Amino acid sequence: EAGVVQSPRYKIIEKKQPVAFWCNPISGHNTLYWYLQNLGQGPELLIRYENEEAVDDSQLPKDRFSAERLKGVDSTLKIQPAELGDSAVYLCASSSLAGDYNEQFFGPGTRLTVL
Amino acid sequence: AQSVAQPEDQVNVAEGNPLTVKCTYSVSGNPYLFWYVQYPNRGLQFLLKYITGDNLVKGSYGFEAEFNKSQTSFHLKKPSALVSDSALYFCAVRDGWGKLQFGAGTQVVVTP
Repeated sequence: EAGVVQSPRYKIIEKKQPVAFWCNPISGHNTLYWYLQNLGQGPELLIRYENEEAVDDSQLPKDRFSAERLKGVDSTLKIQPAELGDSAVYLCASSSLAGDYNEQFFGPGTRLTVL
Repeated sequence: AQSVAQPEDQVNVAEGNPLTVKCTYSVSGNPYLFWYVQYPNRGLQFLLKYITGDNLVKGSYGFEAEFNKSQTSFHLKKPSALVSDSALYFCAVRDGWGKLQFGAGTQVVVTP
């Protein structure tokens, strides 16, 4: 079984430029999560999807961040414009049903460097 | 609000010795607790979880964790550490809506 796939793995951009990250969850997983992980810290949830609906986006900085999950499968996280403080690892995770206390499966992450 | 604390930034242990990584939690209601491990340049991997039942939970790669309600702890343990266990370990608590709150992580260094 293929795991959570993320691309790109690394991205270097200049500040004020836009950037997008892509995630393909494990087949059949209805719940998808985007996390932000700063160096030396644990992941922090940005947004959670149940199928194509964003059910928790309270931690997403909506002035510059946006996300979508069309058709309830793949998801894209976008930052526009990027700031120096956005440099971090962006992790995508998926699980079969959020309400069943199932573990989340994480992708390898996208390491973003903003210059 | 729920939270977890990992009081040790780093744990050093010799190969073959017992390994313990500490975690304490704060929740209102029943705790749903998880341990994940992260190897360099890789995503988090699930080790084990406590939802209900037996206080001793067995997980992947020989790890286990002991849930202690009176001490609000969920320490991760391995009887005999391997060099390959060197990694970053995260404790997490889950709310009723599926949101995981992670600790800051504990770096485990196992020396030969």
